[in-house]
Amino acid sequence: IAGITQAPTSQILAAGRRMTLRCTQDMRHNAMYWYRQDLGLGLRLIHYSNTAGTTGKGEVPDGYSVSRANTDDFPLTLASAVPSQTSVYFCASTGGNTGELFFGEGSRLTVL
Amino acid sequence: GQNIDQPTEMTATEGAIVQINCTYQTSGFNGLFWYQQHAGEAPTFLSYNVLDGLEEKGRFSSFLSRSKGYSYLLLKELQMKDSASYLCAVMDSNYQLIWGAGTKLIIKP
Repeated sequence: IAGITQAPTSQILAAGRRMTLRCTQDMRHNAMYWYRQDLGLGLRLIHYSNTAGTTGKGEVPDGYSVSRANTDDFPLTLASAVPSQTSVYFCASTGGNTGELFFGEGSRLTVL
Repeated sequence: GQNIDQPTEMTATEGAIVQINCTYQTSGFNGLFWYQQHAGEAPTFLSYNVLDGLEEKGRFSSFLSRSKGYSYLLLKELQMKDSASYLCAVMDSNYQLIWGAGTKLIIKP
């Protein structure tokens, strides 16, 4: 049972480059989320999707875009990376009534 | 604005009991969550409270008082593997999770 898989686990890229973080889940969960986690701050929601074909903006959406073509995949794209986007990115999904989140292992992104 | 407060860091001794507090001010309330996050790993679900009172799950218990905007996570019989960050999160009226910055728990032998 894979749960949620993120790729890459770690990446260093130059400012201005385009980058897509991949997220795939096999739990048939409807809702999926992208968070970033920075030292001293709580998890901050970037974008979310309540169901395939729909997406919404979270707390910190600027500079990021997402798509949800099907239930399983929810990629996050940085169109033109900037150093302030250096962070650990977590993809998560939920399908239960309690709202329990299942997280991927995270993608550590460094923008130089 | 919406706010979740929890201590930045706590230290406790192996075998002892520790209580991690969380206070919140949010737009509405649809439940409070506690997650555990070991260094370099993803958060994992510990507990969910939506009604006032204590929920016990093995060595871990979580308490909620909605009138006071307050919760705590109680860890008993501490083990070295309990060294981790503990994240408090509240689901607001829009069913969005608001996260605290986390409490880093250090366990000493």
